[in-house]
Amino acid sequence: AQSVTQLGSHVSVSEGALVLLRCNYSSSVPPYLFWYVQYPNQGLQLLLKYTSAATLVKGINGFEAEFKKSETSFHLTKPSAHMSDAAEYFCAVMDSSYKLIFGSGTRLLVRP
Amino acid sequence: ETGVTQTPRHLVMGMTNKKSLKCEQHLGHNAMYWYKQSAKKPLELMFVYNFKEQTENNSVPSRFSPECPNSSHLFLHLHTLQPEDSALYLCASSQDLDTYTEAFFGQGTRLTVV
Repeated sequence: AQSVTQLGSHVSVSEGALVLLRCNYSSSVPPYLFWYVQYPNQGLQLLLKYTSAATLVKGINGFEAEFKKSETSFHLTKPSAHMSDAAEYFCAVMDSSYKLIFGSGTRLLVRP
Repeated sequence: ETGVTQTPRHLVMGMTNKKSLKCEQHLGHNAMYWYKQSAKKPLELMFVYNFKEQTENNSVPSRFSPECPNSSHLFLHLHTLQPEDSALYLCASSQDLDTYTEAFFGQGTRLTVV
């Protein structure tokens, strides 16, 4: 069965610092992986997705993620954090029934 | 704007009330979902519909009753809820259940049961 694990329920960075949010997946088949962002009192918005093309995936708002099969990871990064990046971030894997299985989320705090 | 609209955005209901949540998508998708998001818990998939047919019910209590009259609309009928049912209810849609495509989410309905 497919699953994802997000390490760290909270991550705090200074404005302008590197953002790194960790996601490890478990999948018996080539995975399809996604990162979503949720701002307060909003739904989930797709940041980026990996669908077995390029291993480095670029998304919206300057975010990118790298698929590493050897590490079963799909970590999300951004070179320089903005205050507006403060939100909750969810990693997800698509299961064999084409449904999304979400991680528990990581709340990103950006300090001025 | 994701193309998925949920109404109402906020709902307060008593435990003996009956209410309904509505979801509408304008994306031409064929699969629709209800998720429950509670504080400090992962997103819980409740129901899945594909081409108007329910394909999944994840052991959801019968006080939650979904309805999908067509591929563009999804309802969640609520009756005799409990305070622990207070949560953000998210609707989502995707192309269908045969392709690896992302889901698009509505903004959610914040439900408070008093």
